[in-house]
Amino acid sequence: EAQVTQNPRYLITVTGKKLTVTCSQNMNHEYMSWYRQDPGLGLRQIYYSMNVEVTDKGDVPEGYKVSRKEKRNFPLILESPSPNQTSLYFCASSSSGDRVPYEQYFGPGTRLTVT
Amino acid sequence: EDQVTQSPEALRLQEGESSSLNCSYTVSGLRGLFWYRQDPGKGPEFLFTLYSAGEEKEKERLKATLTKKESFLHITAPKPEDSATYLCAVRDLYNFNKFYFGSGTKLNVKP
Repeated sequence: EAQVTQNPRYLITVTGKKLTVTCSQNMNHEYMSWYRQDPGLGLRQIYYSMNVEVTDKGDVPEGYKVSRKEKRNFPLILESPSPNQTSLYFCASSSSGDRVPYEQYFGPGTRLTVT
Repeated sequence: EDQVTQSPEALRLQEGESSSLNCSYTVSGLRGLFWYRQDPGKGPEFLFTLYSAGEEKEKERLKATLTKKESFLHITAPKPEDSATYLCAVRDLYNFNKFYFGSGTKLNVKP
């Protein structure tokens, strides 16, 4: 089954404790992206990656890191989480043509709470 | 700054009562407008892509249309299973790796 998987689905942590949210897709997609979703603000793009070793900032990259060492995986790293990073996080992937991404397929989400 | 605005924020319909959701956008150039459906506790699910003014796409009771400054998602004779949040996103012509989402319209269809 074609899918985007994220782990963990739920995470409660404390301020400053480094964490990683994993994302994996099995559709051989070049493009992958991370979003956070907050009430009233919609989905906001954190980082995206056009291909292996190619990543760039979205609209809200502060406090986050990403890496793309393999095509299928795109982990999101919070090196020192703060309460304002409490949110619902989605990973997405899409195929692309001429380096332009098409419609995105989303994972099930990771609900993060930072206390 | 690129912006996507969706209205209304919430919409309550009776089963069979047709209506439209609006997505207006301000981007320097449009290279694709996307509609997604999101059910509670799940990730958004792709519905349609529109590329140019005048384009229309249909799927069951849903029809998406696009003008130069906005898109509409028309829901004809909705059923309770159409209840969800509908999200609109745009991809900028000059920064086509970035996507800008609206905050969504929460649709509730009562039987």
